[in-house]
Amino acid sequence: GAVVSQHPSWVICKSGTSVKIECRSLDFQATTMFWYRQFPKQSLMLMATSNEGSKATYEQGVEKDKFLINHASLTLSTLTVTSAHPEDSSFYICSARDSVLSPGPETQYFGPGTRLLVL
Amino acid sequence: QKEVEQDPGPLSVPEGAIVSLNCTYSNSAFQYFMWYRQYSRKGPELLMYTYSSGNKEDGRFTAQVDKSSKYISLFIRDSQPSDSATYLCAIMEYGNKLVFGAGTILRVKS
Repeated sequence: GAVVSQHPSWVICKSGTSVKIECRSLDFQATTMFWYRQFPKQSLMLMATSNEGSKATYEQGVEKDKFLINHASLTLSTLTVTSAHPEDSSFYICSARDSVLSPGPETQYFGPGTRLLVL
Repeated sequence: QKEVEQDPGPLSVPEGAIVSLNCTYSNSAFQYFMWYRQYSRKGPELLMYTYSSGNKEDGRFTAQVDKSSKYISLFIRDSQPSDSATYLCAIMEYGNKLVFGAGTILRVKS
């Protein structure tokens, strides 16, 4: 089956620093990737849609200057949390949509998530 | 009003019980109805999806959709301790983004 990886799996950083999270599709190409945030005991909230070669589309209320997304290739999207603060501590999950197949739910694959703790 | 409403639980059942998980949604435009399972500190995995009213069965799992009442359900028969997880319903327009429910925490006791 299709595999999506995320790196790192967890990260601890100091307040004010920036953190980069990678999302890779390992055995398929993904024109579109999605970034979600999940707080403890809450659901996944879509932050932005990342499109290869173009600017990301951010959901209402998500600061694009704080959460920088780069989708420079068909297999890699990165999310950079700039000037991180404790309230940014969360579980960040990406998903990737297979470019070749029809865009149904069965062709969108989720990564294992990255746990961010900002001290 | 949220687009998808789901009772967060937790729901605790004995091993072997039938589990019923439910969601309601508000937008008739949604075409796909999914159930994901998420173990602690892991990404969600797609269990089942359907795009029409009626039932869809896969082993011990049955997904049910009633578009007239905007109601979706997941039934788990002969529940096992390994089924303990958070179950998320989600809806989607074709080719569009997923909208998730809050997730229901299920605990199956042995």
